[in-house]
Amino acid sequence: GNSVTQMEGPVTLSEEAFLTINCTYTATGYPSLFWYVQYPGEGLQLLLKATKADDKGSNKGFEATYRKETTSFHLEKGSVQVSDSAVYFCALSDTGRRALTFGSGTRLQVQP
Amino acid sequence: DAGITQSPRYKITETGRQVTLMCHQTWSHSYMFWYRQDLGHGLRLIYYSAAADITDKGEVPDGYVVSRSKTENFPLTLESATRSQTSVYFCASSEGTSGTYTQYFGPGTRLTVL
Repeated sequence: GNSVTQMEGPVTLSEEAFLTINCTYTATGYPSLFWYVQYPGEGLQLLLKATKADDKGSNKGFEATYRKETTSFHLEKGSVQVSDSAVYFCALSDTGRRALTFGSGTRLQVQP
Repeated sequence: DAGITQSPRYKITETGRQVTLMCHQTWSHSYMFWYRQDLGHGLRLIYYSAAADITDKGEVPDGYVVSRSKTENFPLTLESATRSQTSVYFCASSEGTSGTYTQYFGPGTRLTVL
């Protein structure tokens, strides 16, 4: 079945540091890939997505590239801010059920 | 306001009681989903629905019942609540025709079973 593996957290960075959160997946077919963000006490918000190999999703300074050869979708940001502190979830779509399979989430803490 | 809403936002109940969590969306999305979020597990799919009157089980359906008589509503019922069902529950919806299957999430319901 489908699965998503994310790096364990928490990840603690200083403001303006470079961020990478690793995500690898196992899936049949050609899933779409997503990063969702969850701020404290809130629901999940779509951060970015990619629908096919070599696509790059980007939003709010975050980027991730769909790498089919390495089955990865790593999240990066060049300079994090305190306001980026949240839990980040990598997910892939199930083309049959349309449901998402999520990784366990990575908590990011950015210190001023 | 347009969007996806859940009610109640917080609920405390006792073991053995029946509880219903409500989900309402205003986009007329075909697909709706229920997930539970537990520490260390991310989100896991409980049930999903492709359209009104069409529902199917996800990964962790035991102890839950759903219905979908109208496109906009997708209630989740715990028939006899257990402590292991203490969790945060998220409802989501997505368009039926979109190729990317982007899902939009409600704010969640935090359920505590004593």
